[in-house]
Amino acid sequence: DIQMTQSPSSLSAFVGDRVTITCWASQTISSYLNWYQQKPGKAPKLLISTASSLQSGVPSRFSGSGSGTDFTLTISSLQPEDFATYYCQQTSSTPYTFGQGTKLEIK
Amino acid sequence: QVQLVESGGGVVQPGGSLRLSCAASGFTFSSYGMNWVRQAPGKGLEWVAIIWSDGSNKYYADSVKGRLTVSRDNFKNTLYLQMNSLRAEDTAVYYCARDFSSSYYGMDVWGQGTTVTVSS
Repeated sequence: DIQMTQSPSSLSAFVGDRVTITCWASQTISSYLNWYQQKPGKAPKLLISTASSLQSGVPSRFSGSGSGTDFTLTISSLQPEDFATYYCQQTSSTPYTFGQGTKLEIK
Repeated sequence: QVQLVESGGGVVQPGGSLRLSCAASGFTFSSYGMNWVRQAPGKGLEWVAIIWSDGSNKYYADSVKGRLTVSRDNFKNTLYLQMNSLRAEDTAVYYCARDFSSSYYGMDVWGQGTTVTVSS
C-alpha cells in the first residue's frame, strides 16, 4: 500500500499569511494526488485534483503543485474561512490512502 | 441539486452486522464510480471501498477486506455498504462520495455522513 505523509500536522497562522502544506508519497504516484478541506462536523470538500487542477468554485488563492512523490498545497493569503483541516489523498492505486491531515489554526 | 444522503447507521454490538445506504439524486448515478470513506472520532479520513459505475469492480482497504462489502443498485440510485463481523475500530462516521469524472480525480460530491458505533 502507498503511505501518504503530510507536514506539518498542525499549523498556526495569521489572516493574510502565505501557507504551504506538504504531502509525500511512499512511492511514485505521478500526479494522482488530491487535496481536501474539512471543517468541524462537515464532510470533506475537494479543492484540487490531480495535483494542480483547481475545482470549480474554489478560490484562486489555493494552488497545488508536484508530481512523483512530493506535493504541496499553498494558500497565498489566508482568509478566516480557510481555517480547517486539510488532507491529501493518492488515487494512483488502491487502496486510495489519505495523509493524516494538517490542522490549520488561527494565530 | 446533486445530493448524496446516507442512512442506516446506529449502535451495534461487536461481531454484529449493519447495512448502510446512500441515496443519490440530481445526477446520473449509473455513470459514476462511488466510494465509502470513514472517519473515527477525532481521527483523520480513511478510504474504505470503491465500486465502479457498472458494479463490475470493487476494491477495499486492507482493514475491512472480507468483512465489509460494497454494492449498488443503479435502478434505485443507491449505494450500499454491508458491514459484518464489526469491531470496535469500525466505529466512525461513514461518508459516501462520488468519483469526480474517474477515480483518478478524487471525490467531488459527499454525503453528510452516518454514524456507526460498535460497542457492547
